[in-house]
Amino acid sequence: GQQLNQSPQSMFIQEGEDVSMNCTSSSIFNTWLWYKQDPGEGPVLLIALYKAGELTSNGRLTAQFGITRKDSFLNISASIPSDVGIYFCAGQLNNYGQNFVFGPGTRLSVLP
Amino acid sequence: NAGVTQTPKFRILKIGQSMTLQCAQDMNHNYMYWYRQDPGMGLKLIYYSVGAGITDKGEVPNGYNVSRSTTEDFPLRLELAAPSQTSVYFCASSYTLYRDRGLGGYTFGSGTRLTVV
Repeated sequence: GQQLNQSPQSMFIQEGEDVSMNCTSSSIFNTWLWYKQDPGEGPVLLIALYKAGELTSNGRLTAQFGITRKDSFLNISASIPSDVGIYFCAGQLNNYGQNFVFGPGTRLSVLP
Repeated sequence: NAGVTQTPKFRILKIGQSMTLQCAQDMNHNYMYWYRQDPGMGLKLIYYSVGAGITDKGEVPNGYNVSRSTTEDFPLRLELAAPSQTSVYFCASSYTLYRDRGLGGYTFGSGTRLTVV
């Protein structure tokens, strides 16, 4: 099946630092989603991207749909303690609301 | 607005036992999904449904069954529990993804943590 790779697997940063993480695949996707999962909770959608090259922000979060359609990036500016969690990317091959492929996640820890 | 509700939150099963994980959504979403999440792994799709009466297998369907008799409910059945089914199970729902509706992605429940011993 399709596979997504996320890097880094985990990261420890100081509060206030900026964070960058990415998601890559050997397949072309039509939609990219970024989710955050807090401990003991289900993933929550952060940003949805629908078009190659698209750059979308949600507060301190910015995500981009790669030009090749095989990757996506998520940046978090001025990190705060509540940014701690696992960040998942998910890609979709078609536009009809069916199955997404999820990456293994990037675990973010923010040190005070 | 409750969103996606999963019950139970935790369960311990003995090998060979059966159980049903419940999932209900009140958003009138037509698509519903069951995923499992193993430690350090992404979400793996077990089954999904595009509407009442229609279900289909995902990536890891073996050992599970589903039904979708109503739009709101999508229960997941484990018939003969095995240790390999120890995982966290997430139910999700969505509309179809049309950008002009401003809709995107899934709404997830808070998960059911299942341990099979």
